[in-house]
Amino acid sequence: SQQGEEDPQALSIQEGENATMNCSYKTSINNLQWYRQNSGRGLVHLILIRSNEREKHSGRLRVTLDTSKKSSSLLITASRAADTASYFCVGGNEKLTFGTGTRLTIIP
Amino acid sequence: NAGVTQTPKFRVLKTGQSMTLLCAQDMNHEYMYWYRQDPGMGLRLIHYSVGEGTTAKGEVPDGYNVSRLKKQNFLLGLESAAPSQTSVYFCASSVRGPPTDTQYFGPGTRLTVL
Repeated sequence: SQQGEEDPQALSIQEGENATMNCSYKTSINNLQWYRQNSGRGLVHLILIRSNEREKHSGRLRVTLDTSKKSSSLLITASRAADTASYFCVGGNEKLTFGTGTRLTIIP
Repeated sequence: NAGVTQTPKFRVLKTGQSMTLLCAQDMNHEYMYWYRQDPGMGLRLIHYSVGEGTTAKGEVPDGYNVSRLKKQNFLLGLESAAPSQTSVYFCASSVRGPPTDTQYFGPGTRLTVL
């Protein structure tokens, strides 16, 4: 079973706009991580939020976690062309299980 | 630091051929992982290792073998390649294991089995 399912599957926005991606998971987790994957490259860790945290910021990234709804969101503010990538959420318990990702396209 | 490197970057095999993918990390990480990524699917864990000399099965281990003879290297072997193993393979490493640790990924190996 996938421990991280992203929504939407694809998102296109104009440069400078904010991008919001959502993630749902099925079972209880200790933390939730977000990763970015540029086309043809490996994944890069963006941010980790623990199960006892509700919100976390890192630069232009803002992550929220609602354990009662088993959901998380990733907000990227003031998007740039370089943000074009796929974004994956990963629910962490004894294993990390990756979802299928949200493919974000920033239109210059 | 080079981080996590993978060799080769691309490979084309014929059905039934064998090959070994090499993953190397220079961060002294204990944990190493092999994933495969297919179109429209997330990464799926093939095998992993929690330390030198140890290996364990992941979600999709059939058709693959692994070895971790040295802490810095994690090898993935295909004994008899099948078209279903056409995929992009990623190696990753981490200091500790799930759930708290960040995984560092290599650039990937694109394998095509004809």
